[in-house]
Amino acid sequence: AQSVAQPEDQVNVAEGNPLTVKCTYSVSGNPYLFWYVQYPNRGLQFLLKYITGDNLVKGSYGFEAEFNKSQTSFHLKKPSALVSDSALYFCAVRDMGGENNDMRFGAGTRLTVKP
Amino acid sequence: DADVTQTPRNRITKTGKRIMLECSQTKGHDRMYWYRQDPGLGLRLIYYSFDVKDINKGEISDGYSVSRQAQAKFSLSLESAIPNQTALYFCATRPGGNYGYTFGSGTRLTVV
Repeated sequence: AQSVAQPEDQVNVAEGNPLTVKCTYSVSGNPYLFWYVQYPNRGLQFLLKYITGDNLVKGSYGFEAEFNKSQTSFHLKKPSALVSDSALYFCAVRDMGGENNDMRFGAGTRLTVKP
Repeated sequence: DADVTQTPRNRITKTGKRIMLECSQTKGHDRMYWYRQDPGLGLRLIYYSFDVKDINKGEISDGYSVSRQAQAKFSLSLESAIPNQTALYFCATRPGGNYGYTFGSGTRLTVV
């Protein structure tokens, strides 16, 4: 079965500093990996995905994520955080080879960027 | 118009009542999903459907049922609502292949 862990409930950074939101996953086959962002009173919005190819994936709003197969991780990063990046971030995984190929989500990490 | 529309946006209902949450999408996708979101638990899959004749249970289907009335419509029912079904419910859709979801804005359900 596939699963996702986001080890930090909360991440606090100062505006202008780099940010990292951590994600590790478990699948039986090869993973499709996704990051979504949720702003207050809104649905989840797609940020980026890893399917295959380069381990560093670039997405919306200046975010990027690095796929590390040996560490089964897909951490979300941004070189310089903005106050407007404050939101709830979800990592998700889908097993490429699974019959039941729905997506599993982590519990979410609340990012707060302080001015 | 939003790609994925959920109605109602907010609902308060009493224990034991039947309630239906509706979802419609204009993306033309075959696959539709219902998730619930609880603080600290992330999103958990309730039901999903790959086409009109295909309905599948997710992680937490007990106490819920669904109906796929058309390619664009996928409704979620709580036959007899209970307080621990208080949550934020999301509908999502995606095409086949290597694509992520498009989510609706959610329905906040409170069972008192």
